[in-house]
Amino acid sequence: DAGVTQSPTHLIKTRGQHVTLRCSPISGHKSVSWYQQVLGQGPQFIFQYYEKEERGRGNFPDRFSARQFPNYSSELNVNALLLGDSALYLCASNREWWNTGELFFGEGSRLTVL
Amino acid sequence: GQQLNQSPQSMFIQEGEDVSMNCTSSSIFNTWLWYKQEPGEGPVLLIALYKAGELTSNGRLTAQFGITRKDSFLNISASIPSDVGIYFCAGQLGSGGGADGLTFGKGTHLIIQP
Repeated sequence: DAGVTQSPTHLIKTRGQHVTLRCSPISGHKSVSWYQQVLGQGPQFIFQYYEKEERGRGNFPDRFSARQFPNYSSELNVNALLLGDSALYLCASNREWWNTGELFFGEGSRLTVL
Repeated sequence: GQQLNQSPQSMFIQEGEDVSMNCTSSSIFNTWLWYKQEPGEGPVLLIALYKAGELTSNGRLTAQFGITRKDSFLNISASIPSDVGIYFCAGQLGSGGGADGLTFGKGTHLIIQP
């Protein structure tokens, strides 16, 4: 079975632009979470979605938004990009929302903001 | 927000040696997890702990959930070259509600000298 897939793998944007990152969870997994990993740090929780509804949100500004589709795939959107948004954005899935600690991560989308 | 203090930051060891790393928090967590991340990959779950005092093994890996709920350690016995990577502890406040996501430490970078 395919693991969590993310696209694009790498992208470069300039300050003020907008970016959309995409994630497909493991087949049968209904919950998708997004994490931001700045170089040299551990991942930081951004959002969790289950059955198309937002179930959790980390301490990120409103420039960050996400949604989940009926097929359980998800998009993370970031508006008005800042230099500090440069990071690896990780998507993770798990089967149900109540087992959210045991996550299966994708390889990430590396965003560079110039 | 919650912070996890993970130590050591990095370890340089010889193949065959045992490894020990730990994680402490000022806050109580109801779930402790240990993940490993290799270059270009997302984190992979190694061990999940759900009860204070719990000691769990996964092959050469052993982890414990501290009695106070504020700490956890991970031991690796007889290290081998493929153990190289960054090890992250992660804690979750809720018992599976998902609203809080995972809080990650900054990681322990394990380097093995042949």
